[in-house]
Amino acid sequence: AQSVTQLDSQVPVFEEAPVELRCNYSSSVSVYLFWYVQYPNQGLQLLLKYLSGSTLVKGINGFEAEFNKSQTSFHLRKPSVHISDTAEYFCAVSGYSGTYKYIFGTGTRLKVLA
Amino acid sequence: DAGVIQSPRHEVTEMGQEVTLRCKPISGHNSLFWYRQTMMRGLELLIYFNNNVPIDDSGMPEDRFSAKMPNASFSTLKIQPSEPRDSAVYFCASSLAQAGGETQYFGPGTRLLVL
Repeated sequence: AQSVTQLDSQVPVFEEAPVELRCNYSSSVSVYLFWYVQYPNQGLQLLLKYLSGSTLVKGINGFEAEFNKSQTSFHLRKPSVHISDTAEYFCAVSGYSGTYKYIFGTGTRLKVLA
Repeated sequence: DAGVIQSPRHEVTEMGQEVTLRCKPISGHNSLFWYRQTMMRGLELLIYFNNNVPIDDSGMPEDRFSAKMPNASFSTLKIQPSEPRDSAVYFCASSLAQAGGETQYFGPGTRLLVL
């Protein structure tokens, strides 16, 4: 079985400050890891994903995430946020156990303050 | 290129009525997913298809829900009869293949309100 935990439901941060959104997962099989962003009244869109190789993954809009297998984490970071980054961020995991299973976390609402 | 298209964008109906949500995936994508998003339960995968065949429907909440994919460019999610607890945003997503590392492309969603 797989699961995803996003530890923070809401994260307020001032504009131009750094931010980290936390994601932990559990799985008995190898997994792929994703971060998606959802702007108000829109569908989700991919920020970045980890498939294999380098554990530091760079995505769109200046975001990056680091895969840490020993800590089963995939935290999302941005060194300097903008007002336009205000959105909900979802961590997701997929793994194969008979069929592919896709699990999304409960989301973290990032609020960037002026 | 057109993204995933969902219709209707908004649906208001009364308890007991049949509701049909529609989705057109991105052309050339072989996998299609239906999700439900609520404040209480977050984003839940209901069912996904690969090459028009249902692969995993373990997330379908009960027999009132059914999904079909008659061809590569169209899918429906039907609720009959609908109940107030079905009120949610329903998303359709598609991906190039079933492989777990594929990016899913989401539609704008259908906001369903059952009175």
